[in-house]
Amino acid sequence: AQSVTQPDIHITVSEGASLELRCNYSYGATPYLFWYVQSPGQGLQLLLKYFSGDTLVQGIKGFEAEFKRSQSSFNLRKPSVHWSDAAEYFCAVGAAGGSYIPTFGRGTSLIVHP
Amino acid sequence: EADIYQTPRYLVIGTGKKITLECSQTMGHDKMYWYQQDPGMELHLIHYSYGVNSTEKGDLSSESTVSRIRTEHFPLTLESARPSHTSQYLCASSGGVATGETQYFGPGTRLLVL
Repeated sequence: AQSVTQPDIHITVSEGASLELRCNYSYGATPYLFWYVQSPGQGLQLLLKYFSGDTLVQGIKGFEAEFKRSQSSFNLRKPSVHWSDAAEYFCAVGAAGGSYIPTFGRGTSLIVHP
Repeated sequence: EADIYQTPRYLVIGTGKKITLECSQTMGHDKMYWYQQDPGMELHLIHYSYGVNSTEKGDLSSESTVSRIRTEHFPLTLESARPSHTSQYLCASSGGVATGETQYFGPGTRLLVL
């Protein structure tokens, strides 16, 4: 069975600082990997995803993530955080195919100080 | 921009009442999902559907039921609401492999059962 671990419940950064949110997954084959963001009172929005190919994936809002198979990780990064990035971030893992059911992590809450 | 809608956005109801949470999408997606989300916890899958007349229970035991009579509509019903049902309910849809297994989420329904 697949699983996702987001080890950081909360992350606090200053506006303009760099950001890295951690995600570790467990899955037997090459997974589909996703990062979603949830703003207060909203549903989840896709930031980026990895299926295959280049292990460094670019997403919306200036985010990127790197798939590292040897570490079973898919960490999310942003070089300079804006106050509007304050939100909940969810990592998800799944497998391709008709029975695709993704598994989500618990989320990391990002707090941005001015 | 994804077109998936949930109503109501907020609902306060007494114990024992029957409620239906509505979810509709205009993207023609075959796959639809219902998740339960509590603060600081993973999204828990409670129901999913791969198409019309297809419904399955997810990994979280739930006293709710769903139906999929039309592609665009996936309502969730609680026959007798209880305080333990207090939570946020997120609906999502996906076009499967055709859309890279990306899930599109509605804004959620926040339910409070008194």
